[in-house]
Amino acid sequence: QVQLVQSGAEVKKPGASVRVSCKALGYSFASYGITWVRQAPGQGLEWMGCINTYNGDTNYVESLQGRVTMTTDTSTSTAFMELRSLRSDDTAVYYCGRGLGSFDIWGQGTMVTVSS
Amino acid sequence: ERVMTQSPATLSVYSGERATLSCRASQNVSTNFAWYQQKRGQAPRLLIYGPSTRATGIPARFSGSGSGTEFTLTISSLQSEDCAVYYCQQYNNWPRTFGQGTKVEVK
Repeated sequence: QVQLVQSGAEVKKPGASVRVSCKALGYSFASYGITWVRQAPGQGLEWMGCINTYNGDTNYVESLQGRVTMTTDTSTSTAFMELRSLRSDDTAVYYCGRGLGSFDIWGQGTMVTVSS
Repeated sequence: ERVMTQSPATLSVYSGERATLSCRASQNVSTNFAWYQQKRGQAPRLLIYGPSTRATGIPARFSGSGSGTEFTLTISSLQSEDCAVYYCQQYNNWPRTFGQGTKVEVK
C-alpha cells in the first residue's frame, strides 16, 4: 500500500530545533518529490518547501529561509524536515506530501508544539 | 507570489443539491491547479488536479473546471460525507500557494 508514515508528536521549547521524518512505503521513493506543508491550529494550509528525491534539490518558502532544511535518506526511503529557532507561531501540524506540484499522498501529520 | 482567493468562506447546501466553490488566482497559473478536501482531524486529500482530472478513487460527483485565473469545484449532489474544508492550490509558480479554504456544510 502506498503511504507516507510520519514520526510522532513533539513538544519543544522556544529556540530549540525539531526534526520530523516521513517514511515512504509502497512506491519508488526517488520517482516522486516530497513536499512539506504545515497547518497552525484552526488555520489553513501553508506550503513550506519541497525536495527532489532524485537529485536533492530543494525549494523553500521565503519566510522560512535560513531556519528550515529538508533532506532525504534514500537508503531508507525517508524524508526529513528540520526547523530551527522555534517560535510559538511554529506550533502546527506538519504534513509531508508526495509530489512537487500537486500532492496525491499525504502523511498522517505530526503535531509540533512550541511552548515554554 | 500567486495569491489564491476562495469564495465563499462558508457554503451551506441541502443534501442532494449542487455545491459550487470558486478560486481566483492573482496571476495566471495556466492549468497547474488542484483542489483538496480536508475533513476534521484528517490530512488533506487530493480531489482534482490539472484542473479537471479526478484523483484516484474520487467519486464522479466531484468535478473541476477553469484555467488561467478562475477555477471552479462542483459537487453535483452533496452528500453528508462531503462536509469538509476545501482548499485550492496552484503549482505553476514558486512558492506553491493554497487558498484560505471554503467550509462546506449540509444545511
